[in-house]
Amino acid sequence: KQEVTQIPAALSVPEGENLVLNCSFTDSAIYNLQWFRQDPGKGLTSLLLIQSSQREQTSGRLNASLDKSSGRSTLYIAASQPGDSATYLCAVRPASAGRRALTFGSGTRLQVQP
Amino acid sequence: ETGVTQSPTHLIKTRGQQVTLRCSSQSGHNTVSWYQQALGQGPQFIFQYYREEENGRGNFPPRFSGLQFPNYSSELNVNALELDDSALYLCASSPRTSGGAETQYFGPGTRLLVL
Repeated sequence: KQEVTQIPAALSVPEGENLVLNCSFTDSAIYNLQWFRQDPGKGLTSLLLIQSSQREQTSGRLNASLDKSSGRSTLYIAASQPGDSATYLCAVRPASAGRRALTFGSGTRLQVQP
Repeated sequence: ETGVTQSPTHLIKTRGQQVTLRCSSQSGHNTVSWYQQALGQGPQFIFQYYREEENGRGNFPPRFSGLQFPNYSSELNVNALELDDSALYLCASSPRTSGGAETQYFGPGTRLLVL
């Protein structure tokens, strides 16, 4: 059974810092890995999707890496801003035939202090 | 192009009651997935619908059931509500493609409170 773990559970940093969020998964047989952002009480916004054949994806100040063999992904946020405060979730899509559901971690709650 | 919409936004029910949650998928998307997110946890997969048929189910009892309509909108029904059913229910739509490359687009969710 696929399990996804995110460390740390919570993080508070001053504005301007660069930071790294970690995600690990137990089964390397995945189609892709996706990072989401969730604001309190809201739905999920997709940030980056990395296919299993890729090593990283970048969007603006965000960079996500994937090491499938070791079951790890990181989300790097450069020059953090108060508007980045949210919960960040990673999710993997298993490679099982017909299995298209995502397995999520519990998230990292990020607070960026002005 | 409209995004994924869900209704209602909030709902309060009592134990034993039944509830129906609704989801309109993003234009052009024929696959809808439902997730339950308890407070402080990541979303848990309930089931997925593709072309009006259930196409995978997570570890949820049969009192959780669903429908998908010809326009690809969907309903989640929960019977005999329990206190632990209190959660944010998320709907996600995606275009069905080969290879599993598609992104799932999530709606804003329905917050259900069972008293």
